[in-house]
Amino acid sequence: NAGVTQTPKFRVLKTGQSMTLLCAQDMNHEYMYWYRQDPGMGLRLIHYSVGEGTTAKGEVPDGYNVSRLKKQNFLLGLESAAPSQTSVYFCASYRGGGMPLHFGNGTRLTVT
Amino acid sequence: KNEVEQSPQNLTAQEGEFITINCSYSVGISALHWLQQHPGGGIVSLFMLSSGKKKHGRLIATINIQEKHSSLHITASHPRDSAVYICAVHPRGTSYGKLTFGQGTILTVHP
Repeated sequence: NAGVTQTPKFRVLKTGQSMTLLCAQDMNHEYMYWYRQDPGMGLRLIHYSVGEGTTAKGEVPDGYNVSRLKKQNFLLGLESAAPSQTSVYFCASYRGGGMPLHFGNGTRLTVT
Repeated sequence: KNEVEQSPQNLTAQEGEFITINCSYSVGISALHWLQQHPGGGIVSLFMLSSGKKKHGRLIATINIQEKHSSLHITASHPRDSAVYICAVHPRGTSYGKLTFGQGTILTVHP
């Protein structure tokens, strides 16, 4: 039982490049989330999903796209990376009800 | 004004002290989470609350739905408790979809 797995752990991109971050969970959770964490800003919700095939915008969605084609995977895409997207990205999943949130270990992205 | 406010932002304590971190929110909620993040580390869920009080070891979390307030208490604090503590809420009506975070409280416990 791996919980929530994020790949990659680290990545350096040049401005304008694209990439996809993968979040995989093996707990059959309905809800999945992508956040970014920046110094002094706390965690901010980028996009979320309430089930397979669904996605919705969070607090800071601009410049990102997501897909949830399979229940266990939630992908975060950057089509044209910008230095403002330098951050640590966390994925989380949640069963709902009185259960805990489960977080991945984070992806440190630097855009130069 | 943020929907979720934590206080204090920074907290320094001596080993053994009783610690309280507060979380106030301005919207109706369906659930509230307390999370812990060690420096350079991942994020771990401590509690999920929708009413009342929960206890796990030296940690106690309470919530008052009417007053829109939750507290996290640490009894007999230890240097290993040094971390960022984060409060997060599911606004009511979003069916656990949306999750809004407080800014976090940085706790440092000295030996």
